[in-house]
Amino acid sequence: AQSVAQPEDQVNVAEGNPLTVKCTYSVSGNPYLFWYVQYPNRGLQFLLKYITGDNLVKGSYGFEAEFNKSQTSFHLKKPSALVSDSALYFCAVRDISGNTPLVFGKGTRLSVIA
Amino acid sequence: GAVVSQHPSWVICKSGTSVKIECRSLDFQATTMFWYRQFPKQSLMLMATSNEGSKATYEQGVEKDKFLINHASLTLSTLTVTSAHPEDSSFYICSARDWKGPNTGELFFGEGSRLTVL
Repeated sequence: AQSVAQPEDQVNVAEGNPLTVKCTYSVSGNPYLFWYVQYPNRGLQFLLKYITGDNLVKGSYGFEAEFNKSQTSFHLKKPSALVSDSALYFCAVRDISGNTPLVFGKGTRLSVIA
Repeated sequence: GAVVSQHPSWVICKSGTSVKIECRSLDFQATTMFWYRQFPKQSLMLMATSNEGSKATYEQGVEKDKFLINHASLTLSTLTVTSAHPEDSSFYICSARDWKGPNTGELFFGEGSRLTVL
């Protein structure tokens, strides 16, 4: 079975500082990995994905994530946080074999303080 | 990216009534759509997988007679909450996969539907 762990419920960071939102995963085979962002009372917006290739993936709004197979991690990062980045972030994984749905982590709320 | 439209965004209904939520893929075809439910301050819980032209596959613990899913075309799936009760109040989100696109597993999400049952 596949699963995702986001160990932090809340991450606080000052505007302009780098941010990291952690994610580790578990799948039986090779993973497809995703990050989504959710603003209040809205659906999910896609940020970035890792399918294959370079371990460092660049996505929307200046976010990036690094796939680390040995640590089974896919942490989301941004060099300089903005107040507008404050939202709920979900990491998701899917095993590349089979037509399986995405499995989401519990989410991490990011607060960027001016 | 592909667009998924969900309607209505907000709905308030009386206990005992039924509510239908529509999920449409606007610029792509989706043989498979997924319905998620999100409780306050919690993650998304997969309720069911909707397959075009066939019965939906429900996750364990989800009542199929309570949450009726119909996927009559390649661009439309509906979720009907039957005989709604206050405990059904939640944020329901649909998602779809572009079946003609590369099978990367990326899902496109609707904006969600906030259901409040009085």
